[in-house]
Amino acid sequence: AQTVTQSQPEMSVQEAETVTLSCTYDTSESDYYLFWYKQPPSRQMILVIRQEAYKQQNATENRFSVNFQKAAKSFSLKISDSQLGDAAMYFCAYTRGSSNTGKLIFGQGTTLQVKP
Amino acid sequence: NAGVTQTPKFRILKIGQSMTLQCTQDMNHNYMYWYRQDPGMGLKLIYYSVGAGITDKGEVPNGYNVSRSTTEDFPLRLELAAPSQTSVYFCASRPGLGNSNQPQHFGDGTRLSIL
Repeated sequence: AQTVTQSQPEMSVQEAETVTLSCTYDTSESDYYLFWYKQPPSRQMILVIRQEAYKQQNATENRFSVNFQKAAKSFSLKISDSQLGDAAMYFCAYTRGSSNTGKLIFGQGTTLQVKP
Repeated sequence: NAGVTQTPKFRILKIGQSMTLQCTQDMNHNYMYWYRQDPGMGLKLIYYSVGAGITDKGEVPNGYNVSRSTTEDFPLRLELAAPSQTSVYFCASRPGLGNSNQPQHFGDGTRLSIL
């Protein structure tokens, strides 16, 4: 069975600095997709960034980028120029590309604190 | 465009009571999901549906039931509420087969406390 592990329960970063959140996953599939979701105190689940496993190029969305290491099964999220609004819980998630169900498997989450 | 709408936002139940968490989406998505999120944890899949009339169990289905009579609606039923079901419940939807790269759209969640 596929699993997703986030080994950092909490992280903190100074405003305007850069922080990296870690995520590892376990799968025997070759076709899959990975996501980072942000959950602020409002409880909303907000998509931050996605990565297709077949793409070698790391995904980037403005200040957010990923370091996707397929062989190591690692999918870390880098937040540059951190802002106070980035404070939230961040979840890494996996889904099989060939799946006919689209089920997401989530990690345990990392709480990010941004210090002014 | 409302997206995924969940009602109620908060609810307190007594042990043994029953209730239905409502979820509706207006994006014509075939796939819908129910997750629960326990404090400080990630989301776990309870049930999912790939279309009207088709539902299946996820990782933690015990104590819950679902139905999918229309594309838009996917209610979650708790028959005999237990303290272990105290959690935040999220409904989500996604376009159907062939759209694995498309993210799930989430509702705002229902915070449920069983006392």
